[in-house]
Formats: sequence, C-alpha cells, structure tokens
Amino acid sequence: EIVLTQSPGTLSLSPGERATLSCRASQSVGNSFLAWYQQKPGQAPRLLIYGASSRATGIPDRFSGSGSGTDFILTISRLEPEDFAVYYCQHYANSPWTFGQGTKVEIK
Amino acid sequence: EVQLVESGGDLIQPGGSLRLSCAASGFTFSNYWMSWVRQAPGKGLEWVANIKQDGSEKYYVDSVKGRFTISRDNAKNSLYLHMNSLRAEDTAVYWCARIEDFWSGHYGMDVWGQGTAVTVSS
Repeated sequence: EIVLTQSPGTLSLSPGERATLSCRASQSVGNSFLAWYQQKPGQAPRLLIYGASSRATGIPDRFSGSGSGTDFILTISRLEPEDFAVYYCQHYANSPWTFGQGTKVEIK
Repeated sequence: EVQLVESGGDLIQPGGSLRLSCAASGFTFSNYWMSWVRQAPGKGLEWVANIKQDGSEKYYVDSVKGRFTISRDNAKNSLYLHMNSLRAEDTAVYWCARIEDFWSGHYGMDVWGQGTAVTVSS
C-alpha cells in the first residue's frame, strides 16, 4: 500500500497569499498517478487536479499541481476567501487507492 | 444535470448489515467506473471500493474485504454497497463518486453525491 504524507497539517495564511502544500508518497506513484481534492465543511470533496498537474474542469488557474515520482506540490497562487478548506492528495497508481491525511488551509 | 444521490444510511448495531444505494442521472452510467469513499467523523477521506463499468472488476480497501460488496445495476443507473458484519469503525459518511478516465490511465473522482451517514453503535 502506498502511504501518502501531507505537510504541513495546517497552513495559516491571509487572502492574497500563496499556499504551497506538499504530498510525499512512500513509493513512486508511477506516471504521476496523483490527484488533489478540496473539501469544505459539510461538503463532498471536489476534484482539483489529476495527473499531478492537470486541472479538472472549471478549476481556476490559481490552482496548480506539480511533481513526479514520490514528491508532489499543490500551489494556490493567490488565496481567495473561498479557498480556505482542507486539501487531500490521492493516488490511483494501484489498488488500494489511498488519500493523504489532509492539509487544512485556514485564515490567519 | 449530472447527479449522484446516495441513500440507505442508518443507525445500525455492530454485526448488522446495511445496503447503501447511489442513483445516477444526467450521464451514461454504464460508461464509468464508480467508487465509494468514506469519512469517519472528524477524520480524513478513505477510499472504500471501485467497480468497473460492467461489474467484472472490483477492488476494495483491506479493512472491508470479505465484509463489503460493491455492485451495480446499469439498467437502473444504480450503484450499491452491501455492508455486512458492521463494526464501530465503519461509522462514517459514505459517498459514491464517478471515476473519470481522462487520458492514459489518469483518473479522477469528478462527480460526488451528497453522502449518506452510517452509524454503527449499540
């Protein structure tokens, strides 16, 4: 099983600032078989990024993903008020799919 | 409108059984792999199971193998999760999700339902 470790656990930032979230895999996730999701309280997750760097439909370009192998980054270039949420990385390289434990982006 | 609607969540005693349902609309259900994902109270997301378009392939997280069965009825545009031998640790909100195959094996769960709550307690 591939274990995904996200850091930091919590990121305290102000609107307009840049957010950098990390996701490290215990082994290679192959051809960047990694996705990122956003979850707000009481809501279902929303797909942001697949293939480590491709934005899903309707996702603003302030969200970007990068990385390969075992190290991945989600960057939010300028935080908007609606971006404060919990973010999860998830691999689909093989079964079982797993999620990271999440990074909470909170308002400073 | 593309939509997934879960139902069937309930308060159930340990050792009991439950069937969750997910009704799909607004897209060709039979063209997609489907998934169940859960979230225990105050915890992170956990993938539970996937099923191929025709039901011929199924995959599970180890913690539910032998107890849960994912199935689908393409004629009814419905996905199911049959849950047996329920434990307290199965308490969670359960979502069904559509798996989009974007390209070259790159997937994403791009449509989610609103979730249904399962509580396992005596």
